[in-house]
Amino acid sequence: KNEVEQSPQNLTAQEGEFITINCSYSVGISALHWLQQHPGGGIVSLFMLSSGKKKHGRLIATINIQEKHSSLHITASHPRDSAVYICAVRSETGNQFYFGTGTSLTVIP
Amino acid sequence: DTGVSQDPRHKITKRGQNVTFRCDPISEHNRLYWYRQTLGQGPEFLTYFQNEAQLEKSRLLSDRFSAERPKGSFSTLEIQRTEQGDSAMYLCASSLAKLQGMLQETQYFGPGTRLLVL
Repeated sequence: KNEVEQSPQNLTAQEGEFITINCSYSVGISALHWLQQHPGGGIVSLFMLSSGKKKHGRLIATINIQEKHSSLHITASHPRDSAVYICAVRSETGNQFYFGTGTSLTVIP
Repeated sequence: DTGVSQDPRHKITKRGQNVTFRCDPISEHNRLYWYRQTLGQGPEFLTYFQNEAQLEKSRLLSDRFSAERPKGSFSTLEIQRTEQGDSAMYLCASSLAKLQGMLQETQYFGPGTRLLVL
């Protein structure tokens, strides 16, 4: 059983659509990260959350600590948003990291 | 370029050989992390350092794996007696924890070293 579960695994959207990617976790955490990975492997950190909501441009990330759930939203999606989005959590002790298997997003022009 | 760098970017080796990877973190970042990622999967945590101290090792890190960060700057990850199952992308990340016990800092990832064991 994975400590971090993401849904959906794959997502195809038309340009301009509003996109939501979900992440559920089963361990106590000190922080949750949303990462973006492009073909070729490069990973970029999008958000680090411990509570509430953060917004950066067209990206919004929310977390509900009680429900152990986070969502990543992309407004007005664009083909350049096509990538794998990975949810990762850091344990309460800070000494363990758990990753979801990623959501592969394709935005069609 | 002042980002995280990793060397080599690609490595092909025969089963049973030893390999060593290097990671140079962003200057003055005090934490350094190693992860492994196999095709189609999310990354898996291997180990991390705060300065030169190795604070945690995953159970995934068998006795054939060793990591060092001798001067608190660059780090090496060595795999001895490589096996085909070691084939993966090895990712390094660094971060700046401004307080000793801080657990909420952004990690910056390197491009990875892709290992293929034949």
